[in-house]
Amino acid sequence: GAVVSQHPSWVICKSGTSVKIECRSLDFQATTMFWYRQFPKQSLMLMATSNEGSKATYEQGVEKDKFLINHASLTLSTLTVTSAHPEDSSFYICSAIRLAGNQETQYFGPGTRLLVL
Amino acid sequence: AQSVAQPEDQVNVAEGNPLTVKCTYSVSGNPYLFWYVQYPNRGLQFLLKYITGDNLVKGSYGFEAEFNKSQTSFHLKKPSALVSDSALYFCAVRDQAGTALIFGKGTTLSVSS
Repeated sequence: GAVVSQHPSWVICKSGTSVKIECRSLDFQATTMFWYRQFPKQSLMLMATSNEGSKATYEQGVEKDKFLINHASLTLSTLTVTSAHPEDSSFYICSAIRLAGNQETQYFGPGTRLLVL
Repeated sequence: AQSVAQPEDQVNVAEGNPLTVKCTYSVSGNPYLFWYVQYPNRGLQFLLKYITGDNLVKGSYGFEAEFNKSQTSFHLKKPSALVSDSALYFCAVRDQAGTALIFGKGTTLSVSS
């Protein structure tokens, strides 16, 4: 079946560094991917919509200069957390839409846990 | 704007008993409704969805959900709970194809043996 992968699954970094998280659709092309953020025991909050070949659309309250999104190909979207701080520590989850005829299915990646020290 | 409400933070049931996890929604158009489950430190697993058709939707692991348009609800049910069903359950909605899912806050299901 369709799979969405994320890399890395875990990352620990020092405050002030930048971290790049990759989201790949492994056996389908995805023109649209989404990035979510989840705090412990809380819901998934949509951060942005990533469209291949164009700028990402950010949700209200999400700093686009802080969370850089690049969707350079139909199978890869990246989220870069710039100048990370401890409050950026969270679980980041991507999802990708697969279109097959009239059927649309949204697949989620396994998530990336970021810990900023 | 779309929204999803899961009124219960936690649901406790005994193994073998039926379970219900509640969800109500608000959308401007026709709803696309979903249930996902999340185990600790894991990603989301798809359980079932309602787009159109029968109001009763059957999904993975014996779960089902009933779409009730008049009550704007999409409660998740299972006739006989298993201890292994203990997890965090999310209801999600969107109002058109190709858009992001909006998630409820989640309900922790605890099934005791």
